[in-house]
Amino acid sequence: KNEVEQSPQNLTAQEGEFITINCSYSVGISALHWLQQHPGGGIVSLFMLSSGKKKHGRLIATINIQEKHSSLHITASHPRDSAVYICAVRSYNTDKLIFGTGTRLQVFP
Amino acid sequence: DSGVTQTPKHLITATGQRVTLRCSPRSGDLSVYWYQQSLDQGLQFLIQYYNGEERAKGNILERFSAQQFPDLHSELNLSSLELGDSALYFCASSVFGTTDTDTQYFGPGTRLTVL
Repeated sequence: KNEVEQSPQNLTAQEGEFITINCSYSVGISALHWLQQHPGGGIVSLFMLSSGKKKHGRLIATINIQEKHSSLHITASHPRDSAVYICAVRSYNTDKLIFGTGTRLQVFP
Repeated sequence: DSGVTQTPKHLITATGQRVTLRCSPRSGDLSVYWYQQSLDQGLQFLIQYYNGEERAKGNILERFSAQQFPDLHSELNLSSLELGDSALYFCASSVFGTTDTDTQYFGPGTRLTVL
């Protein structure tokens, strides 16, 4: 079993829909990252969380440390949000990031 | 544009060969990370340098090596290449090199194809 699991693996949505991507992890962590990988391959860091909730534009990330779970929400989705969203965690005893396998999102007009 | 540059963008080579991938971090960033992204294994951390010194090591094969130079650019050397080494190789940089406080900025990647 992977230490970081994401669901769903694939997601399609109509423009304007509210989207949720989930990340569960099995190790103790000190931080969780959400990354976005565009169809061309480029990777952008969206959020880094150690507790609570962060918001940036239409994106909201939450984390529940006790339940070892994080969610990434996209409000009013747009075709330009189409990308792979990757969750990564930093475990307590290492400075390395452990990555989930990603969620591929396609938003249709 | 993240400010991190990687060269070359594409590299096609044969099994058994050796290649060098280069990364220049954002101005002011002291830490460089190398990642491998293959179709079957997703993103994997390879190695991290901070101000010229190795800080953390991940799933890096013995055939691979890296270094960070005094001007803070980094090179990843891959030798005795195998078909399974075909992947996207990303470099990222951050200011302090701690993954619980630092945002990492990713380069555009080098796509390596081993034939």
